[in-house]
Formats: sequence, structure tokens, C-alpha cells
Amino acid sequence: GAGVSQSPRYKVTKRGQDVALRCDPISGHVSLYWYRQALGQGPEFLTYFNYEAQQDKSGLPNDRFSAERPEGSISTLTIQRTEQRDSAMYRCASSRELAGHNEQFFGPGTRLTVL
Amino acid sequence: GDSVTQMEGPVTLSEEAFLTINCTYTATGYPSLFWYVQYPGEGLQLLLKATKADDKGSNKGFEATYRKETTSFHLEKGSVQVSDSAVYFCAPTYNNAGNMLTFGGGTRLMVKP
Repeated sequence: GAGVSQSPRYKVTKRGQDVALRCDPISGHVSLYWYRQALGQGPEFLTYFNYEAQQDKSGLPNDRFSAERPEGSISTLTIQRTEQRDSAMYRCASSRELAGHNEQFFGPGTRLTVL
Repeated sequence: GDSVTQMEGPVTLSEEAFLTINCTYTATGYPSLFWYVQYPGEGLQLLLKATKADDKGSNKGFEATYRKETTSFHLEKGSVQVSDSAVYFCAPTYNNAGNMLTFGGGTRLMVKP
């Protein structure tokens, strides 16, 4: 497709379950970012990749959160043992080049609800 | 850490009114500055950007000027339309911090006919 895609678009899970959120960036884009957005707030950075290498994971809230991008394309954000406070919109973005002045293109997001 | 302060909303205007949404950022390094917009039911999309001091970003009648001396990037539009109703996010990126966007809290704009 032409844009960034994310799946699933909506995920409802029970507390304690693991979830995997997928991001398919624009083809050829080097950098991939994950953000989390609580209702009524701006997105907050979680982690990012250049190619397949995870460059910064300082925004991951705790060790239940992990991400990978093994072939430098599709990325998966995994949350283990979900808690209600993990409920949010998870957004993925990709950019064509490494430099910070490049536009990040956002996917539609995955809305996660933990019951 | 790096941060951005954005005017709180909601901002309610009548059609054709002048819009200003204030944004100030932490002056660490030399950030690139972005405004993103989220229309109802849609994802985030870039509205405009500026990458160096005194640059003016513009798009769809919106403008913002990179003011290094005041560390500001205020968004303006001379005549808003109902279709401009959305949430607007100011977001710098800092090259020494991985180029991730540091979003403000967002400002909801509601334009009434």
C-alpha cells in the first residue's frame, strides 16, 4: 500500500494477556518509530529503529514492552502481561531518511483496550 | 529532558476569524520544528515544518515561523474555515536525541459557521 499500515486497528484484551501490535511502514523507509497516545494527550515516544537496529528504547515504560524490526521493514511492538494502564492508542510512523528534518508518516494506529 | 509547551484548548472561533496557536520548545541543540494535525476520525498528518531559524513553514493557508530568539513556533492562519476543525500538535525533533518527535499536548480547534 501507499501508506503506513497497522494491525489490528482495535484490540481488546484481558489483563494479563500478551498482545502484539504490527506496523508495516512505507516501502523503503529507513526509520520506524513507535508512539503511545493517551486520550486527550499528545503522542509520547516509545522506541525507534534505523533499518533493523533499535536505536533508542528509552521511552518504553517498563520491561513488559519490547519491539523488534528483524528485517528492517515490518515492526512488532509486544506488550506482555498487559495491565489496564496500557490502554491507549499505539501509533507507528516511518520516515524516508535518518535526518530529523524528514517528515514522519503516521499509520492509523491501534487502539488497545485492556479490561 | 526536551519538551514543548503548547497553548491549551479548546479554541473556538467563528469562520473567517484569525487563528494563533502558541508553541514554545526547549532550546536544546538545533531542533527541526513541525506542526501535525489530526482531523476527526483520521490519523496524524504533517501540516508544515521549518528546519532552521527564521524559516517559515506554510501549507493550506497556515504559517509558522521558526523563532530561535524566543524558542517559539506559533501557528497562524488568517481566515479559518469549518474544515480546519481538528487537533493541532506542535512537535520538535532534536538531532542529538534520535530525531523522535516530542509532541505537545495538542490544541483542539473548533470553527463554527
